[in-house]
Amino acid sequence: GENVEQHPSTLSVQEGDSAVIKCTYSDSASNYFPWYKQELGKRPQLIIDIRSNVGEKKDQRIAVTLNKTAKHFSLHITETQPEDSAVYFCAASMRDSSYKLIFGSGTRLLVRP
Amino acid sequence: ETGVTQTPRHLVMGMTNKKSLKCEQHLGHNAMYWYKQSAKKPLELMFVYNFKEQTENNSVPSRFSPECPNSSHLFLHLHTLQPEDSALYLCASSQEGTRSSYEQYFGPGTRLTVT
Repeated sequence: GENVEQHPSTLSVQEGDSAVIKCTYSDSASNYFPWYKQELGKRPQLIIDIRSNVGEKKDQRIAVTLNKTAKHFSLHITETQPEDSAVYFCAASMRDSSYKLIFGSGTRLLVRP
Repeated sequence: ETGVTQTPRHLVMGMTNKKSLKCEQHLGHNAMYWYKQSAKKPLELMFVYNFKEQTENNSVPSRFSPECPNSSHLFLHLHTLQPEDSALYLCASSQEGTRSSYEQYFGPGTRLTVT
């Protein structure tokens, strides 16, 4: 089955700096890669996703890149703000045959003011 | 409010008790999920239901028993649990069969403590 690994487990950056979180997946059939943000005490919420037919997607300060050959994808947050502090989860799914998501272990991001 | 509610929000139960967790989605979705969130495995898929039919059982012990009476409601029946089952149990829903969005909407979770 699919296995998703996520790094780093914790990340501390200064406000205004960029943050990068990386994930690798094992099943080359996976074709959908979302990122969820979970603030302390709150539910996970989708912030951005990418499908395997594109290599990069941006939404304001966040972007996701996908390298299908290497089977890894990354979340990039630019100009970080204290409200970006949260746990971020990547996930992978084989949309053509299933809609279950396999999540990475999460990255706790701390943005220092 | 994301449209997915869960009750109770907190539950403490002994290992011999029987209890049920309830999830309700008000989004008109056709798929519902149970996840377990703990320190060891942050977001672990347990069960998937699509149009009330169970499509996935991720090797979950039989002391967890799901029930999906309709597309809006999902239950997780608990019996003879172990202390290591203490975790946050999250319910989620999504609309499958469309290409517009694959987003899963999560509920607030039930914090379960097994004593």
